[in-house]
Amino acid sequence: EAQVTQNPRYLITVTGKKLTVTCSQNMNHEYMSWYRQDPGLGLRQIYYSMNVEVTDKGDVPEGYKVSRKEKRNFPLILESPSPNQTSLYFCASSLGPGTGVGNQPQHFGDGTRLSIL
Amino acid sequence: AQTVTQSQPEMSVQEAETVTLSCTYDTSESDYYLFWYKQPPSRQMILVIRQEAYKQQNATENRFSVNFQKAAKSFSLKISDSQLGDAAMYFCAYRRSAGGTSYGKLTFGQGTILTVHP
Repeated sequence: EAQVTQNPRYLITVTGKKLTVTCSQNMNHEYMSWYRQDPGLGLRQIYYSMNVEVTDKGDVPEGYKVSRKEKRNFPLILESPSPNQTSLYFCASSLGPGTGVGNQPQHFGDGTRLSIL
Repeated sequence: AQTVTQSQPEMSVQEAETVTLSCTYDTSESDYYLFWYKQPPSRQMILVIRQEAYKQQNATENRFSVNFQKAAKSFSLKISDSQLGDAAMYFCAYRRSAGGTSYGKLTFGQGTILTVHP
């Protein structure tokens, strides 16, 4: 089954304690992305990756890091989490550019609810 | 930068009736894609319908259809014969056409909570 898997689904932690949210897809997609969802703001892109070892900032990258060492994995790293990073996080993937399928939808993971105390 | 606006924070509809959710967007580009996503309480993001900007014909998917007005930069979603399972948050989203920087980035509206009354 084609899917994007995020872990954990829920996490409550404290300010300053480093955490990683993992994301893995089994569709051989080049493009992967992280979003955060906040009330009244919709979803906003944090970081994205066009392919292995190619990452770039989205609209709200402050306080986050990512890596793309393998095609299937795209972890989101919070080195020193703060309460303003309490949010619902989504990982998404899709085929990359140049594939002639620019209108293909992105596949989303089931979300990770992070609470930073 | 592109922006997407959903001006209706909440909407309600009676079961079996029709409801329209509004979405406007701002872009200087001529080629792009528009999407409606549904987010039920389970938090999943489910694609409802998509529209290519170069197509004049409005997209339809069963009970879901859009009214795409390119000149007005409007992209509304009509749900016919509403069902209890349609209750969810609905997001309108914009994406540039393939190629160039920010490829694949979805720009979302604020969302509209739809309540369906039996």
